[in-house]
Amino acid sequence: QQQVKQSPQSLIVQKGGISIINCAYENTAFDYFPWYQQFPGKGPALLIAIRPDVSEKKEGRFTISFNKSAKQFSLHIMDSQPGDSATYFCAASIGHSNYQLIWGAGTKLIIKP
Amino acid sequence: DGGITQSPKYLFRKEGQNVTLSCEQNLNHDAMYWYRQDPGQGLRLIYYSQIVNDFQKGDIAEGYSVSREKKESFPLTVTSAQKNPTAFYLCATSVKGPPYEQYFGPGTRLTVT
Repeated sequence: QQQVKQSPQSLIVQKGGISIINCAYENTAFDYFPWYQQFPGKGPALLIAIRPDVSEKKEGRFTISFNKSAKQFSLHIMDSQPGDSATYFCAASIGHSNYQLIWGAGTKLIIKP
Repeated sequence: DGGITQSPKYLFRKEGQNVTLSCEQNLNHDAMYWYRQDPGQGLRLIYYSQIVNDFQKGDIAEGYSVSREKKESFPLTVTSAQKNPTAFYLCATSVKGPPYEQYFGPGTRLTVT
């Protein structure tokens, strides 16, 4: 119940295309869903996050879509660029009890020029 | 310059030796975390600390030890009891409570031969 399942494991997208990464969870108590971006040899950095009271959040070319009934959330990268090539992690946490993040396994995204 | 410092960036040790990884922060964050990342895998929580002089085991604490004597510092010792210590180690911090974002250091790559 504490797992966050992320797919796909790897993804290749042409420059200018849309990259879509999906995550699913079981625990309905989760109330915070961030996405992190990690470049090789670096620590992850927060990209965008959403709470379950909204169905979508957009920041520039990055959008989180949240489906509470399906217990799924996804990251969409519009107009994907080679500089977006990185590993992306979704996560979830229960804010009121503790603030440990439960991490997805990551998606390695490659944008082909 | 605010942030999280992890040193050294690369660390090499012989099997059977204990090694301590440093993590220092000047963000004034209460919580600190240690994660382990193996190639192509997600982040696994080793230990976390929400307050000075207190810390809790994460999912993979066996073979590791920590201390939290100062708010700014959360060193991790990889002991000889850790079966497969070669990995990328990440330190993170967060404020207590919302918005729950974790900020990551640049990581230390430990190689044990």
